[in-house]
Parts: sequence; C-alpha cells; structure tokens
Amino acid sequence: SQQGEEDPQALSIQEGENATMNCSYKTSINNLQWYRQNSGRGLVHLILIRSNEREKHSGRLRVTLDTSKKSSSLLITASRAADTASYFCATEGNFGNEKLTFGTGTRLTIIP
Amino acid sequence: DAMVIQNPRYQVTQFGKPVTLSCSQTLNHNVMYWYQQKSSQAPKLLFHYYDKDFNNEADTPDNFQSRRPNTSFCFLDIRSPGLGDAAMYLCATSTLAGEEQFFGPGTRLTVL
Repeated sequence: SQQGEEDPQALSIQEGENATMNCSYKTSINNLQWYRQNSGRGLVHLILIRSNEREKHSGRLRVTLDTSKKSSSLLITASRAADTASYFCATEGNFGNEKLTFGTGTRLTIIP
Repeated sequence: DAMVIQNPRYQVTQFGKPVTLSCSQTLNHNVMYWYQQKSSQAPKLLFHYYDKDFNNEADTPDNFQSRRPNTSFCFLDIRSPGLGDAAMYLCATSTLAGEEQFFGPGTRLTVL
C-alpha cells in the first residue's frame, strides 16, 4: 500500500512554539501534499512539494522532502491556537492515476 | 466564491434504507472524488471521475454507487447502509490529476 504514516500520532505544544510533523511513504511519488482538517470539517490544502523539490515555504509553514528516505516533514513556526487541527500528508504516486493516498494524520493541539 | 458544496451536512438513515449524498462545485474542475473518513482515520478514496470517466477503487463495496450527471454535480448512493457505513463522506475536486484537491465540508452519516 502507498499509504503514508505520520509521526507523531498526536502532539501538544505551547502557543508560540514550533511544531514538527513527519510523514513516511512507501513507493515513488510525483508530489507530496499536506492538508489540515479542523474537527468535523473538510480538509484544506496547505502546500504541495514536487518530487524534484527539497524544500518549500508558505507563510509559517516549511515543508521538506527527502525522496531517498521516502519522507517529508511539516514545520509550523510560532504556533497559534488556531493551528489546532489534524494534519495529513498525501502522496500522488507516479502512475498517473489521478488520485492521492492519505497518511494516518497527526493530531496537533496548541495550548494557549 | 468558488467552492465545493455538500448536502446535507448531517444525514441520519435507518439500517438498510437507501441514502443519497450530493456534491456540487462552482470551480469547473474536471476531477471529482468521494472519500469515506471514519473517526480518527485517514480519508479513504471510494471512487473518482475524470470528466465522465468513472474510476472505482478495488475495495469499494458494491453497496456504494456514484453518478456524475454533469461537470458540476456528483452523487454518492448507498443502497443498503449498514452500521459500518456510518462515517464522514467528503467530496473533493481538482483541476488536474494528482494536484491540489479542494474539499467540501463533508456529510456526517449516521445509521440507526
């Protein structure tokens, strides 16, 4: 299965601290994406990194990709209470079959 | 604003009573997806459409059917819901295969 695994499953930090989540996957990919999901809501796309990229930034988000280790990390700097959510990585395999496979998710709690 | 809309947000049905969930989009995206998400789990792809081409996941139960009458609308039919079908159902769209997906808010299905 292509499904990614995320680590840790749950993370609690104080507001203002940085949060790091990791994602590992099993087969070659075209791109890797990160999504956020607030409780009981749909997913929101955060960032997409392609297989030929190593690092990408968007506001307080920094994503790295290491294709040799089949892993990615998401760093959220200067966390805020509103960052409390579940975060999922999703991979597009290089089969051209139009679909993403989601990881197991990290539940992030920011303590005010 | 362009968006993905799901109706209803909450659906209660009885064991074995057919139910239809709907999704509409104003983004004019070619690809539409249906996911099932159970509590604290990753979204699981049920099927997707590239334009009118229907793609069923191998492990999607026969109990689940889908229709896409036009670009804007997509329906998920559950012919005989079981207790195990209680979940959040998410609709998503993308303009290109494997690229960023835009999610609706989801329909929470309860089976009594």
